[in-house]
Amino acid sequence: GAGVSQSPRYKVTKRGQDVALRCDPISGHVSLYWYRQALGQGPEFLTYFNYEAQQDKSGLPNDRFSAERPEGSISTLTIQRTEQRDSAMYRCASSSGPGAGDYEQYFGPGTRLTVT
Amino acid sequence: AQSVSQHNHHVILSEAASLELGCNYSYGGTVNLFWYVQYPGQHLQLLLKYFSGDPLVKGIKGFEAEFIKSKFSFNLRKPSVQWSDTAEYFCAGDNTDKLIFGTGTRLQVFP
Repeated sequence: GAGVSQSPRYKVTKRGQDVALRCDPISGHVSLYWYRQALGQGPEFLTYFNYEAQQDKSGLPNDRFSAERPEGSISTLTIQRTEQRDSAMYRCASSSGPGAGDYEQYFGPGTRLTVT
Repeated sequence: AQSVSQHNHHVILSEAASLELGCNYSYGGTVNLFWYVQYPGQHLQLLLKYFSGDPLVKGIKGFEAEFIKSKFSFNLRKPSVQWSDTAEYFCAGDNTDKLIFGTGTRLQVFP
């Protein structure tokens, strides 16, 4: 079935460690988005891809954050040298075409990251 | 939309009460607006969306929203809530290809 899946669902890591969060979009979906949601806030855009091309990474907070989608399907969001302020829910969404106004974004369950 | 704001952070209602959740956006050219819902333990899902045309938009589960351009608002309404409407509700607008979300409103409905 297939909705958007994300793994792991929960990740606890120590400060300074690197983490990789995975998103598996709906099959055939062209566009893939990453959002971050802090407690008590709405999702905040990080970056997005059309196929394998990263179209916009303006939301990535600093150079410790990076994302890739090498084959235009699964995407990985990597956070290097994690800090406590990185603790949040990381959400992935995919859509059948580009443009939030034209194509519905379907969200995955999210990965809850806790940095201790 | 360049920014989206929701002023009701937590709303508590009894079943059968009417609901209105506020959403305001800042102007940013063509405006597409959305309401998403997250039920407990589930992921975000689309309730309804406005692109153009009729400013009154109807969504799933009896929800509707009205786009009022002069007030920069897109409030969500439901005439009679049910316990199963307990959830967090997010208003969003699009800025080119990405969604800009409000901070969310937590709705609790008591039987």
